[in-house]
Amino acid sequence: KAGVTQTPRYLIKTRGQQVTLSCSPISGHRSVSWYQQTPGQGLQFLFEYFSETQRNKGNFPGRFSGRQFSNSRSEMNVSTLELGDSALYLCASSLGQFNSYEQYFGPGTRLTVT
Amino acid sequence: GQQLNQSPQSMFIQEGEDVSMNCTSSSIFNTWLWYKQDPGEGPVLLIALYKAGELTSNGRLTAQFGITRKDSFLNISASIPSDVGIYFCAGQNSGNTPLVFGKGTRLSVIA
Repeated sequence: KAGVTQTPRYLIKTRGQQVTLSCSPISGHRSVSWYQQTPGQGLQFLFEYFSETQRNKGNFPGRFSGRQFSNSRSEMNVSTLELGDSALYLCASSLGQFNSYEQYFGPGTRLTVT
Repeated sequence: GQQLNQSPQSMFIQEGEDVSMNCTSSSIFNTWLWYKQDPGEGPVLLIALYKAGELTSNGRLTAQFGITRKDSFLNISASIPSDVGIYFCAGQNSGNTPLVFGKGTRLSVIA
């Protein structure tokens, strides 16, 4: 089975711009979670989507948003980028049901905001 | 919010030595997961634990779900250079709640 894929792997943006990151989960997985990883804060939960609905949301400002499509692929969007948004953005997929909640991560998208 | 305390933050060991690291929480978790992350990559799931007291192995790795449900331990036996990386613990309350991650243990292996 193919693993979780994320595109792009690297991105450089300027303050004030917006960015869209994409995540394709493992085939059959219906849950996609997004995390922000920084050296200072570690892995912080952004949000989780299950069957096209946001099921959980972390403590991030409204500039961070996401969505999930009917094929379970997910995108996250960050508007009005700030320097502090520079981070590794990771998505993780899981079945999300049937007591199987192990999350499998993609390689991440490294976002640099200048 | 919930926090996980993972220790030690970093360790330097000789190749062949055994390694122990642990994770503690102020509240109960019903699932504990252990991940390893290599530079520039996403975390890779090593072991998942679902029952208090459970002891599970994956090759040279062994993890335990503490009986209080507030802690978990990971042991690596006979370490090798490819064990280098950052090890994260993660706890989950119930199936549809987010994972809470520890800050990680950075392992360095000296050949």
